[in-house]
Amino acid sequence: SSEVTQDPAVSVALGQTVRITCQGDSLRNYYASWYQQKPGQAPILVIYGKNNRPSGIPDRFSGSSSGNTASLTITGAQAEDEADYYCNCRDSSGNQRVFGGGTKLTVL
Amino acid sequence: EVQVVETGGGLSQPGGSLRLSCAASGFTVSTNYMSWVRQAPGKGLEWVSVIYSDGRTYYADSVKGRFTISRDNSKNTVYLQMNRLRAEDTAVYYCAREEVETTMVWYFDLWGRGILVTVSS
Repeated sequence: SSEVTQDPAVSVALGQTVRITCQGDSLRNYYASWYQQKPGQAPILVIYGKNNRPSGIPDRFSGSSSGNTASLTITGAQAEDEADYYCNCRDSSGNQRVFGGGTKLTVL
Repeated sequence: EVQVVETGGGLSQPGGSLRLSCAASGFTVSTNYMSWVRQAPGKGLEWVSVIYSDGRTYYADSVKGRFTISRDNSKNTVYLQMNRLRAEDTAVYYCAREEVETTMVWYFDLWGRGILVTVSS
C-alpha cells in the first residue's frame, strides 16, 4: 500500500496562520480528507475534497492540493485548534485507505 | 440521531479472538461504506478494514488473514471478527461511515466513540 507522510509537530502563535502538509503519490489521484483529534476524543472531519468544510467547522479551516501534496491551513489559529491532525487518502489500488502519521499542532 | 456505537471490546490473550460490533442508527449500513480504524495507545490512526455497499471487503496488510469484516443488514450492524490476536493489535477501535461523492472525493463523516481492545497475557 502507499504511504502518506506528515510533519510530526507544528506550532503557531495565537491568531497567526499555519499550514499542515501531507505528502504521498496517491494524492496525485485522490483528494485527501483531514481530521482533528483532541485527547480522549474521536476524530472529527474538518476538510474534504477540493476544499470543503462539514457543517459546524469554522471557515478559518481550508484545504488545498498540488501534485503529491495536500495542505490544511488554519487562518487565525485559536487556542481550541490545538490538537492532532491527520490526513487520509486511498492507496494506489483505490481500495485501501492510508492515514498520515499525524501532526501535533501547538498554539502558542 | 445519526450515530454508530461500538461494543465488544475488552481483554484477550495473545492468539485469542474478539468480535467487535458497530450498531448504526439514523442511517442504513448496507447502503454505505463502513470502515474500522484503530489507534494504538499514544500512536496515530490506522485504517483496518472496509466493507462496501456491494459487499466487497478490504483489509490493511497488518490484519489481512486474521480479521474479517461483515454486516448484518437486519440488525443494521457491522462487525469485526478479530482472530489470532497479537499484542500489537491493542488499540482503541473506531467504527466510521464513509461518504463517497466521487472516485476522487470520499471521507469518514461519522465516527463512533471507540472501544478499547487489549491483547495481553
